[in-house]
Amino acid sequence: GAVVSQHPSWVICKSGTSVKIECRSLDFQATTMFWYRQFPKQSLMLMATSNEGSKATYEQGVEKDKFLINHASLTLSTLTVTSAHPEDSSFYICSARVKGSYNSPLHFGNGTRLTVT
Amino acid sequence: DQQVKQNSPSLSVQEGRISILNCDYTNSMFDYFLWYKKYPAEGPTFLISISSIKDKNEDGRFTVFLNKSAKHLSLHIVPSQPGDSAVYFCAAYAGGTSYGKLTFGQGTILTVHP
Repeated sequence: GAVVSQHPSWVICKSGTSVKIECRSLDFQATTMFWYRQFPKQSLMLMATSNEGSKATYEQGVEKDKFLINHASLTLSTLTVTSAHPEDSSFYICSARVKGSYNSPLHFGNGTRLTVT
Repeated sequence: DQQVKQNSPSLSVQEGRISILNCDYTNSMFDYFLWYKKYPAEGPTFLISISSIKDKNEDGRFTVFLNKSAKHLSLHIVPSQPGDSAVYFCAAYAGGTSYGKLTFGQGTILTVHP
């Protein structure tokens, strides 16, 4: 149980275009989902916390107008990278926790490799 | 400011021996710690966790030890298997307003040789 599905697994886009990444909790409800980013050989850095039905909370240094997050339901959160540039190329990973559980671990999707040309 | 640190970028171990991965943290508000395993181009997979009220948690071949006074935790894998070869991330979070926000270490690449 507790499967998080992330789509697409990889995407290549041209500079200036926008890309949407979906994160779904397949067999559980997630009030909160988290979006992380990982650069090569570096740690996972939290970008934002996505709360169902409300605005996302962004970490310091993350542009909210560039990384649009929507959490429209208890099983779906989306991250849209707007006007992508080559420096946005990275590995984006979403995670979710089962609704109502505090000390249960986060479950991660398989990530999306974004390459902006 | 790196609040969770894994100072060993890599570790090489012989199959059957013990693997010990270390992690240090600086934020005394952290009250829950986790270890994740990650393969390239995949998301992290949860391995084992420990609450700050405990000093040891065991699950099969995996044991996590927590030393709160030293702000240090370690993951022991016994016996190590070639399939354990991956990147291991230590992560932590605090309750309250930081609920659910994991802070990750830099990761340690474990290689288990047959």
